[in-house]
Amino acid sequence: GAGVSQSPSNKVTEKGKDVELRCDPISGHTALYWYRQSLGQGLEFLIYFQGNSAPDKSGLPSDRFSAERTGGSVSTLTIQRTQQEDSAVYLCASSFVHGLAGGTNEQFFGPGTRLTVL
Amino acid sequence: AQSVSQHNHHVILSEAASLELGCNYSYGGTVNLFWYVQYPGQHLQLLLKYFSGDPLVKGIKGFEAEFIKSKFSFNLRKPSVQWSDTAEYFCAVKGHNDMRFGAGTRLTVKP
Repeated sequence: GAGVSQSPSNKVTEKGKDVELRCDPISGHTALYWYRQSLGQGLEFLIYFQGNSAPDKSGLPSDRFSAERTGGSVSTLTIQRTQQEDSAVYLCASSFVHGLAGGTNEQFFGPGTRLTVL
Repeated sequence: AQSVSQHNHHVILSEAASLELGCNYSYGGTVNLFWYVQYPGQHLQLLLKYFSGDPLVKGIKGFEAEFIKSKFSFNLRKPSVQWSDTAEYFCAVKGHNDMRFGAGTRLTVKP
């Protein structure tokens, strides 16, 4: 596609429920990132995937958060047993290559999924 | 671990005023530096980036940023802002591994 797409655009859920957020990166981009944008908190790095390498999960805030990337393309971020503090906009970004070895490393962002946990 | 500090949370300017948004980072190695902008209701998009070479980088819409290695800074500037520059601005640093973003600076330009 022309850009990074995310679905759903909005998600309202009840505390304790599980949610899945989807990201479709730009075709051919090998690196995929998830961020969380909370009001007044800026962008918080969650996880990134690079090709077939093991993902860097160092930013995931708790073990309720997990993500996978199937076939090196689409990624799903799963939040189990959601809490009110999970309410935020979840952004996905992709780039052609990760690391300083080559490429521009410019990240292209999707529109985000606004998650509201009641 | 690398970190990014944006000291101004909210800046309010009148049209035609000059702008400088501060960005400092902590990382000892080689870095790539970015400024992203998020206009109201729109995606984050790249404003400018620094990889190497001339430390004064020109971006879109008349923005520029200067990389000062000794100060670990990458401040964003524009000589004369417009109402349409109202947005949130994020500084980002990429070291060896992942990207780190600052908390963002909201810019409001009054017509």
